[in-house]
Amino acid sequence: SAVISQKPSRDICQRGTSLTIQCQVDSQVTMMFWYRQQPGQSLTLIATANQGSEATYESGFVIDKFPISRPNLTFSTLTVSNMSPEDSSIYLCSVETGMVFNEQFFGPGTRLTVL
Amino acid sequence: GDSVTQMEGPVTLSEEAFLTINCTYTATGYPSLFWYVQYPGEGLQLLLKATKADDKGSNKGFEATYRKETTSFHLEKGSVQVSDSAVYFCALSDRSSASKIIFGSGTRLSIRP
Repeated sequence: SAVISQKPSRDICQRGTSLTIQCQVDSQVTMMFWYRQQPGQSLTLIATANQGSEATYESGFVIDKFPISRPNLTFSTLTVSNMSPEDSSIYLCSVETGMVFNEQFFGPGTRLTVL
Repeated sequence: GDSVTQMEGPVTLSEEAFLTINCTYTATGYPSLFWYVQYPGEGLQLLLKATKADDKGSNKGFEATYRKETTSFHLEKGSVQVSDSAVYFCALSDRSSASKIIFGSGTRLSIRP
């Protein structure tokens, strides 16, 4: 398994501003992912964070809105840019350790409220 | 594309009742199937999984069997406890989709003492 921490755990932001969320893993992992969970909804994959290269975004998500960095095998950031109230969600980081195929472990999430 | 459909909630049961949460899937390949649980105020945790047809995943008294013929992965528990109150997500990961996990809509379970 992997122990994943996220910062901040929650935040309240004004529209038009940006927030960067950090994801730290206690061991080197092969893959890192960012998900969004809108209020009362399921999880939707935003992108796969690739170490040393640009993230791979899912349909409906773009780099200008959700820039992602992954400088090494244990850390990634997701920025929510130019926020609007529709961005109010829980943002979760997940990792795949490579020990068990397709098994992902999730961080505790960052609860974002945009006013 | 691949998808997961699960029983709508909320589901409210009395303690020690039998639980079933239905889940069916659509996939072009041979997916792995998962149940994740999200306790109030916490992140998502893997509850159990099955990677091939007829596999049974089990954990904490919960079970689910991978049924290829009915494309189902229903979650069951013989006797629920108040501490099982949470949101349960059925999910799949198709080997051809580079680790992408597709989640169902989630089922909120509440257990009355």
